Amino acid sequence: SQELEQSPQSLIVQEGKNLTINCTSSKTLYGLYWYKQKYGEGLIFLMMLQKGGEEKSHEKITAKLDEKKQQSSLHITASQPSHAGIYLCGARPSGTYKYIFGTGTRLKVLA
Amino acid sequence: DAGVTQSPTHLIKTRGQQVTLRCSPKSGHDTVSWYQQALGQGPQFIFQYYEEEERQRGNFPDRFSGHQFPNYSSELNVNALLLGDSALYLCASSEGQSNQPQHFGDGTRLSIL
Repeated sequence: SQELEQSPQSLIVQEGKNLTINCTSSKTLYGLYWYKQKYGEGLIFLMMLQKGGEEKSHEKITAKLDEKKQQSSLHITASQPSHAGIYLCGARPSGTYKYIFGTGTRLKVLA
Repeated sequence: DAGVTQSPTHLIKTRGQQVTLRCSPKSGHDTVSWYQQALGQGPQFIFQYYEEEERQRGNFPDRFSGHQFPNYSSELNVNALLLGDSALYLCASSEGQSNQPQHFGDGTRLSIL
């Protein structure tokens, strides 16, 4: 079965610093979704990537999917305390309707 | 435009009891999925409902059951509650025949004593 592995598991950065979160799949991805979750709350959709080499940006967050479609990265530029939370990558394995998720990266931004 | 709404927000039950959680999907969405999220883990897929039928199921026992109504809202029922059922239960909605992302509610925090 397909699995998603995220790294790092947690991250503490100083406000203004850049950071990158990685998501690696054991199989080819046919759609990769990035979500943000505040502690104990629901998931907020950030971005969806479908094509190899695709890159999308929203405000200070950029997500990329590699050419082989087995790895994605989420990059935050000039981090702010509002970026704090749990970042989750999710995917829908081929031939299924369910989503699988990584275990999440817990980000803390120090003011 | 209301997003996905879940009720209740918090619930405390004891072992052996049963519970029903409710979800109203985002306007325009016809598919509802349920997830269980234990502390420190990613969400785990329970099942998905489309056209009032269970379309796919994850690795959860039969104690977990659900229902979808004609207005696309959904319920998750859990019988014979165990301590290990304590978790955040998330509902997500989407358009049934597209690759568009799922939208999540804020979840129901279920605690089993």
